Amino acid sequence: AQKVTQAQTEISVVEKEDVTLDCVYETRDTTYYLFWYKQPPSGELVFLIRRNSFDEQNEISGRYSWNFQKSTSSFNFTITASQVVDSAVYFCALSEQDSGTYKYIFGTGTRLKVLA
Amino acid sequence: GAVVSQHPSRVICKSGTSVKIECRSLDFQATTMFWYRQFPKKSLMLMATSNEGSKATYEQGVEKDKFLINHASLTLSTLTVTSAHPEDSSFYICSARGSSTGQPQHFGDGTRLSIL
Repeated sequence: AQKVTQAQTEISVVEKEDVTLDCVYETRDTTYYLFWYKQPPSGELVFLIRRNSFDEQNEISGRYSWNFQKSTSSFNFTITASQVVDSAVYFCALSEQDSGTYKYIFGTGTRLKVLA
Repeated sequence: GAVVSQHPSRVICKSGTSVKIECRSLDFQATTMFWYRQFPKKSLMLMATSNEGSKATYEQGVEKDKFLINHASLTLSTLTVTSAHPEDSSFYICSARGSSTGQPQHFGDGTRLSIL
């Protein structure tokens, strides 16, 4: 069965600290995609990154970096030098081909609070 | 980047009213659109998947007659909550994706529905 686990329900850090959000997934497919989204208090979901199952390269984008490890079925997200504007709920999602629709399986989200 | 517009952003209405929510992809053709419901401090729950020109596929437990979905064109899908009751109050979010394999879903800003 497909599943996405974000074990950290809520994390609080002080501004400028680094923080890692964990995401562990389960799938039987060999071809799949992983995503991270940010949901600020205003409610919209902002796309952050997509990674396909054949690309295990880590990625860095500014203060954001992602570590994809197939061996441990994890796709963790690190924010370096966190800022108050990073406060949001972050969702990890898994997408497989399911009748061609590529539905998402979302994790339960991690609420990040960055304190000034 | 890909833009999805969702309207209205907030609705407050009396019990028994039907409410229509629109979801438009502004700068790409959305072969598939998704409708989600999100309860406070919870993850997104997929309600249905719709492909342009065909009937929506509803998730288990979602009432088709209650939540009418129409995907009449490659840029527009609508969700109508028929005869809404207070228990239908929620945050509804749409998303859209193009046809290429592995494309991310792009989300609208959501509609906060309050039924009195």
